[in-house]
Amino acid sequence: GNSVTQMEGPVTLSEEAFLTINCTYTATGYPSLFWYVQYPGEGLQLLLKATKADDKGSNKGFEATYRKETTSFHLEKGSVQVSDSAVYFCALSFGNEKLTFGTGTRLTIIP
Amino acid sequence: SAVISQKPSRDICQRGTSLTIQCQVDSQVTMMFWYRQQPGQSLTLIATANQGSEATYESGFVIDKFPISRPNLTFSTLTVSNMSPEDSSIYLCSVPSGRARAYNEQFFGPGTRLTVL
Repeated sequence: GNSVTQMEGPVTLSEEAFLTINCTYTATGYPSLFWYVQYPGEGLQLLLKATKADDKGSNKGFEATYRKETTSFHLEKGSVQVSDSAVYFCALSFGNEKLTFGTGTRLTIIP
Repeated sequence: SAVISQKPSRDICQRGTSLTIQCQVDSQVTMMFWYRQQPGQSLTLIATANQGSEATYESGFVIDKFPISRPNLTFSTLTVSNMSPEDSSIYLCSVPSGRARAYNEQFFGPGTRLTVL
């Protein structure tokens, strides 16, 4: 079946550091890929998405590129802020069907 | 974006009892989803709740254990019945973002953290 594997957390960085959260997937075919974020006390919300190979999703300074060769969708940000502290979930789906999530990575940014 | 609230935010329950979780959305939506996140695990879809019809359950989940109500377009409940410690999880509801047919773009509620003793 389909699955998503994320970098184990928690991850702690200093403000303005470079961020990478790894995500790889296993699926038959070419799914759409997503990053969802959950800020403290809030519900998950969509951060960015990519629907085909080599697409780059971007939002709020975060980027992720759909790499078919490595079945990966790593999340990156060049300079993190304290406000980026949250739990990040990688996910996939086929067509407009249900989401398959990774286990989430908790990110803490220290001033 | 949709604003979703859930009640209760957390609860501690005794085994054998049942808990009903409420999900309220600030706009009318046709589809609502219920997920479970067990400790250290990913989110797993329990069922899809459409207003005016029976909920559709995913493999491994049954109506007797997780009955769902969907009385109108802004509200749903999920009941966790005859609870055991294995039911200790975070339960979340979600709705599609609103873009036509984009069911994989969803807004989630803040979750209900359930602990069963």
